[in-house]
Amino acid sequence: DGGITQSPKYLFRKEGQNVTLSCEQNLNHDAMYWYRQDPGQGLRLIYYSQIVNDFQKGDIAEGYSVSREKKESFPLTVTSAQKNPTAFYLCASRGKNSHEQYFGPGTRLTVT
Amino acid sequence: QKEVEQDPGPLSVPEGAIVSLNCTYSNSAFQYFMWYRQYSRKGPELLMYTYSSGNKEDGRFTAQVDKSSKYISLFIRDSQPSDSATYLCAMSESRGGGADGLTFGKGTHLIIQP
Repeated sequence: DGGITQSPKYLFRKEGQNVTLSCEQNLNHDAMYWYRQDPGQGLRLIYYSQIVNDFQKGDIAEGYSVSREKKESFPLTVTSAQKNPTAFYLCASRGKNSHEQYFGPGTRLTVT
Repeated sequence: QKEVEQDPGPLSVPEGAIVSLNCTYSNSAFQYFMWYRQYSRKGPELLMYTYSSGNKEDGRFTAQVDKSSKYISLFIRDSQPSDSATYLCAMSESRGGGADGLTFGKGTHLIIQP
């Protein structure tokens, strides 16, 4: 089955701890994205990567970091510097020369 | 002024009705328009994708783009309870294949009453 997987589905962490969210795709897509979704806020872009070993900040990158060592994988680390980390995190990917993005199932992170 | 405006709803209609969902936008550079459906606690699913102005039909769904008015619509015919979800519009400019991400509306929560 081709698609995007995110793990885990639910994640709980204590304040002050870094946490890494996984995103893997087997669609052979070049570009990958991380979004954050909060109630009443819509989707906001955190980071994106158009190619391996390169990534760019989105609109709300502060307190987050990413890596893109493999085409299939784009993990997101939520650091202790992120002031409001509790949210639903969505990973997406896009094929070359296309505009539509395909989303994973999401990870709901709760930090207490 | 926000780039993409979308009424959050909820919009409640009886089963079988025609549903009209809409977004307005301010950036005239947007050329590519998408509609996503998102069920509760799930990732968005791409429903429709259109380029520039015009209509596109896929089964019970019709997407309409009016670039002169900066207004896009999604129509759902013969609505079903399974259509109950949040519908997100999304847009991108022509450069770079949407490389720097999509601009989303906040979503409209649709409820189809059996």
